[in-house]
Amino acid sequence: GAVVSQHPSRVICKSGTSVKIECRSLDFQATTMFWYRQFPKQSLMLMATSNEGSKATYEQGVEKDKFLINHASLTLSTLTVTSAHPEDSSFYICSAREIGVQGTEAFFGQGTRLTVV
Amino acid sequence: AQSVAQPEDQVNVAEGNPLTVKCTYSVSGNPYLFWYVQYPNRGLQFLLKYITGDNLVKGSYGFEAEFNKSQTSFHLKKPSALVSDSALYFCAVRPVYNTDKLIFGTGTRLQVFP
Repeated sequence: GAVVSQHPSRVICKSGTSVKIECRSLDFQATTMFWYRQFPKQSLMLMATSNEGSKATYEQGVEKDKFLINHASLTLSTLTVTSAHPEDSSFYICSAREIGVQGTEAFFGQGTRLTVV
Repeated sequence: AQSVAQPEDQVNVAEGNPLTVKCTYSVSGNPYLFWYVQYPNRGLQFLLKYITGDNLVKGSYGFEAEFNKSQTSFHLKKPSALVSDSALYFCAVRPVYNTDKLIFGTGTRLQVFP
């Protein structure tokens, strides 16, 4: 299947700093990528939809100024957690689906474990 | 409201026995249906999908799922469980009116005992 690469897999940062997470589709193009957050023993919560060349669409309750999303190309989306706080510690996962192909499944990155100390 | 239900938080089964992980959905129209598996500290891996056609779909690692339209269910099955199947399983639905967003169930932890 198609590959989505997410980097870094694990990051520890100090409170107040910013962290950038990259999501790349390695062998296909994706006009849309998705960012999820997963709390321990819980399901995935969709945070935002990343649209290539335009602004991201955020789900209700997600602070767009805190979680900055950039989708600069058809193979790369980035999520920046700004002024991180311990409550932002979580597992972040991105996904992407190949453009122009109906009925295909989404492919997920390996996830990023963010710990804010 | 659109939703996906996985009624069991955990399913325990002995190795070699058949397993079933249940999923029901409440989504209008004829949605696309998916199963994903997640191992610890990893992203989700695609297992199988139902788009149209035969109600029984086969996927990766010997898994299969049966679509039942009248019961709006899409249960995941495997004839003979392996210890290595132990993981977290998610059912997901994509409404036909929104071809990008996935609605996830809460997940079911499968534990296969030797």
